[in-house]
Amino acid sequence: QVQLVESGGGVIQPGRSLRLSCEASGFTFSRYAMHWVRQAPGRGLEWVAIIWDDGSNRFYADSVKGRFTISRDRSKNTLFLQMNSLRAEDTAVYYCARARYGSGSYSLDYWGQGTLVTVSS
Amino acid sequence: SYVLTQPPSVSVAPGKTAMITCGGNNIGTRTVHWYQQKPGQAPVMVVYDDSDRPSGIPERFSGSNSGNTATLTVTRVEVGDEADYYCQVWDSLVIFGGGTKLTVL
Repeated sequence: QVQLVESGGGVIQPGRSLRLSCEASGFTFSRYAMHWVRQAPGRGLEWVAIIWDDGSNRFYADSVKGRFTISRDRSKNTLFLQMNSLRAEDTAVYYCARARYGSGSYSLDYWGQGTLVTVSS
Repeated sequence: SYVLTQPPSVSVAPGKTAMITCGGNNIGTRTVHWYQQKPGQAPVMVVYDDSDRPSGIPERFSGSNSGNTATLTVTRVEVGDEADYYCQVWDSLVIFGGGTKLTVL
């Protein structure tokens, strides 16, 4: 069965960097685009980034563009999110999710359980 | 950028039908997906491509999309359906609605 397991969250000071990982299993990782989505405490879902199956394209939400980088290691079936210049408003649970493409649209068909990032001094 | 509007809350009695709307300009020309998120849990896809259900999702969950409104319908509502529901479209990036809290009275 599809499993996505995030790690790397924690408490980090403003301005510092953190790298999140998402280990995938139960499917052919190299054939799927992947997303990162976050959810601030008590708030709704906010999409963060997507990376194509072959890593050739990456797109970001305006709120993280220039600070966050999505990447993947196909040999390790792992997705990453490098987060630089962190701000208090980046505090959230970060989810990785598998992308499903159909009818000209990307959706998110499987989600991990999330990892909490708290940006605080 | 494209905006999806959901009512903050919907209440329904057990056994009745809940309808959760997702408004957007000509959303009927786009493909809509829906997610359920129970407290403390990750989201789960319940409807994709406007009206299809992933395996394991009860037939009680259905979707429609026309004009300026997409709708998630939950029939014979159960206490276990109490959750936040989010609609989503693709517009060269992922856009989520603000979410609707479904309360089962």
